Amino acid sequence: DSGVTQTPKHLITATGQRVTLRCSPRSGDLSVYWYQQSLDQGLQFLIQYYNGEERAKGNILERFSAQQFPDLHSELNLSSLELGDSALYFCASSARTSGYNEQFFGPGTRLTVL
Amino acid sequence: KNQVEQSPQSLIILEGKNCTLQCNYTVSPFSNLRWYKQDTGRGPVSLTIMTFSENTKSNGRYTATLDADTKQSSLHITASQLSDSASYICVVSVGGGADGLTFGKGTHLIIQP
Repeated sequence: DSGVTQTPKHLITATGQRVTLRCSPRSGDLSVYWYQQSLDQGLQFLIQYYNGEERAKGNILERFSAQQFPDLHSELNLSSLELGDSALYFCASSARTSGYNEQFFGPGTRLTVL
Repeated sequence: KNQVEQSPQSLIILEGKNCTLQCNYTVSPFSNLRWYKQDTGRGPVSLTIMTFSENTKSNGRYTATLDADTKQSSLHITASQLSDSASYICVVSVGGGADGLTFGKGTHLIIQP
């Protein structure tokens, strides 16, 4: 158990819909990262927040957005969902934001868009 | 373009045997290299992190090596166990924030009894 929690574990929805994925980082970690992992694809970095502020942005679509709240939990919002958005979405956390810090991954949310 | 290539794509070995997974990268400038183990349907778990100055790092039966000159890394698994069946992901960092991480697609390892 990494100490990072994600809800829900599974999510099934239809095209065009909007969903929210939630992540709680390890106690004391200030950085939260979101990743997408499609079938047979590597992890794709989406976005990072550090202590409530957006710190880095990767290949995140405009239909996707995220935020980190004062209690440090984070939410990833996916809208106008398409079939291709079906994937595992992982959240990770680290103590600080430097590239050397180890990231601890949550169990993931499996999103299925029908 | 920063890239991380892993080989083989998949590997099947018998329980108790050793194996070596390869990672070649073109990431520059280099900050550190990590190996993760990812069980099916679960989040990756860090095995090792190595900086430019480290050329070997062990974590139990896992030993990672790094040759920064040739931009190659390997992960050696000794006396494999059924629980080693997983995907092994190589990640290279250029430092700074998370947008500096480049992920390999992983090697899918299956240990057969």
